[in-house]
Amino acid sequence: KQEVTQIPAALSVPEGENLVLNCSFTDSAIYNLQWFRQDPGKGLTSLLLIQSSQREQTSGRLNASLDKSSGRSTLYIAASQPGDSATYLCAVSLEGTDKLIFGTGTRLQVFP
Amino acid sequence: DTAVSQTPKYLVTQMGNDKSIKCEQNLGHDTMYWYKQDSKKFLKIMFSYNNKELIINETVPNRFSPKSPDKAHLNLHINSLELGDSAVYFCASANWGLAGETDTQYFGPGTRLTVL
Repeated sequence: KQEVTQIPAALSVPEGENLVLNCSFTDSAIYNLQWFRQDPGKGLTSLLLIQSSQREQTSGRLNASLDKSSGRSTLYIAASQPGDSATYLCAVSLEGTDKLIFGTGTRLQVFP
Repeated sequence: DTAVSQTPKYLVTQMGNDKSIKCEQNLGHDTMYWYKQDSKKFLKIMFSYNNKELIINETVPNRFSPKSPDKAHLNLHINSLELGDSAVYFCASANWGLAGETDTQYFGPGTRLTVL
């Protein structure tokens, strides 16, 4: 059974810091891994999608890496801003299905 | 333009009632989903529909009945509501991959259901 864990559960940093969010999964038979952002009371916004054959994806200040064999992904946020404050969720898509298994989330607060 | 929309945004109702949540996507996707996010913010898939056919049913009680009148709509009807049904329900859509796998899923804003 696939389990997805995110560390840390919460993170509070001053503006400008570079930070890393971690995601680990127990079954490496994944199709892809996605990082989402959820603002309070809102839906999820897809940030980055990494196919299982890829090692990383970049979008602006965000960089996500994937090490499928070790069951790990990291989301790197450069030069954090207060607007980055949100909950970040990673989710893996299992091979042969369209089912997304979500992690427990990391709640990020960036203060001025 | 809203890509994935849900109505209503908030729903407060008494135990035992029957209620429906509607979802529409204008992205031209062929697969739609319902997720439940509980009080601990854990998000879990309930159903997926591809071209109006049920693909995934994650051992959800049969009081929950999804209905897909067409590819752009997936509604969720809940009978005999219970206290434990209180949660935020998210609709999502994506395109079905060649091997039945999905690419990026686009989520609606959520419907916060409170059962009293």
